[in-house]
Amino acid sequence: DTEVTQTPKHLVMGMTNKKSLKCEQHMGHRAMYWYKQKAKKPPELMFVYSYEKLSINESVPSRFSPECPNSSLLNLHLHALQPEDSALYLCASSQGNWRGRSYEQYFGPGTRLTVT
Amino acid sequence: AQTVTQSQPEMSVQEAETVTLSCTYDTSESDYYLFWYKQPPSRQMILVIRQEAYKQQNATENRFSVNFQKAAKSFSLKISDSQLGDAAMYFCAYRSADGSEKLVFGKGTKLTVNP
Repeated sequence: DTEVTQTPKHLVMGMTNKKSLKCEQHMGHRAMYWYKQKAKKPPELMFVYSYEKLSINESVPSRFSPECPNSSLLNLHLHALQPEDSALYLCASSQGNWRGRSYEQYFGPGTRLTVT
Repeated sequence: AQTVTQSQPEMSVQEAETVTLSCTYDTSESDYYLFWYKQPPSRQMILVIRQEAYKQQNATENRFSVNFQKAAKSFSLKISDSQLGDAAMYFCAYRSADGSEKLVFGKGTKLTVNP
């Protein structure tokens, strides 16, 4: 099973709203990722959690707040977003780096976010 | 910093024919991993194939194969017997073997399959 699930599939929110995106995997992966993807562009890395600890923050604005409650779950809390934050938000997971091997990332279907 | 270049923004192929998508990368590292991901319109990004730089043998997954030229820093994807379901955006990606969690993506190639 190589499934990464994300909820919701679509989200429309106003600039003053607070919402959360959720990601879940049950593959025993130890690394989880948030990406932002604009139309016809490659994904841009936002955050990486490795063994439930934030290991990479790609200078993302504080209106995006990640959370990793346990090894299977990853949340992205959203507050006071701007219209330019409208995008597809992808979650991914991987076994991470172990014994010198770098494992591939498996992506979820994404959440299509529209900020009005 | 590593970079990945996909020089073909768009490609098209006739159903049942073969197409090759190009990818070059720039790195000073000797050990790394390369990937091709496929993203159909409004659908999930899927791993197509991976290649470890220390392996000389080119990776193959069914109708998908790569031509990995380490000295030339080239990693092209060949799709044989193209099917309508192969239509998608294809991204080439690089990952260092130094423990970095980052994937460096190319800008993508949009593949159209004509019936």
